[in-house]
Amino acid sequence: GAGVSQSPSNKVTEKGKDVELRCDPISGHTALYWYRQSLGQGLEFLIYFQGNSAPDKSGLPSDRFSAERTGGSVSTLTIQRTQQEDSAVYLCASSRDRERAYEQYFGPGTRLTVT
Amino acid sequence: SQKIEQNSEALNIQEGKTATLTCNYTNYSPAYLQWYRQDPGRGPVFLLLIRENEKEKRKERLKVTFDTTLKQSLFHITASQPADSATYLCALAAFNKFYFGSGTKLNVKP
Repeated sequence: GAGVSQSPSNKVTEKGKDVELRCDPISGHTALYWYRQSLGQGLEFLIYFQGNSAPDKSGLPSDRFSAERTGGSVSTLTIQRTQQEDSAVYLCASSRDRERAYEQYFGPGTRLTVT
Repeated sequence: SQKIEQNSEALNIQEGKTATLTCNYTNYSPAYLQWYRQDPGRGPVFLLLIRENEKEKRKERLKVTFDTTLKQSLFHITASQPADSATYLCALAAFNKFYFGSGTKLNVKP
């Protein structure tokens, strides 16, 4: 079946602009995760949604970052007033349920470049 | 917070040999530890999960061990092939946060 999809695949924006990154998880997966990966670095955990529960936002790097998940499916990661240090690949993942919460399926990522 | 350490230097081995990658973690021992493969320009792909009460897990040519005393996991690829060349990431979950190592790049030479 279809995997996790993310859009756009690439985004170039000017410093100070807002951007929205979209993630479509695998159908039936109840958990959704956002990560950030800078060049040559590991994945930095940002936020995790489990079903309709309120997410733990403590991993978001600043209050310029926010995320929503509508209807328990599609998620949007919004970065306001982008800064050059926000440039990275933003990866989304989903997992089937709590029992398999740690078997995550990743999308291809959105490469964000802030100029 | 939890930290994961993987050897940042690339591991270069000859085809047919066994590759062994190391993952060390600090602080809390997780209930699960996982290994992922990441190819350039792609998202990570899940390979294996091992639970804290499991010493060893195997899947085809892959083997993972988990030593909660040493706070270490070893990832082995036997009879390695050039197609195994990739970056391998270790990951764990603690208190509803998910931590990934920066990965070790494996180069398998024909």
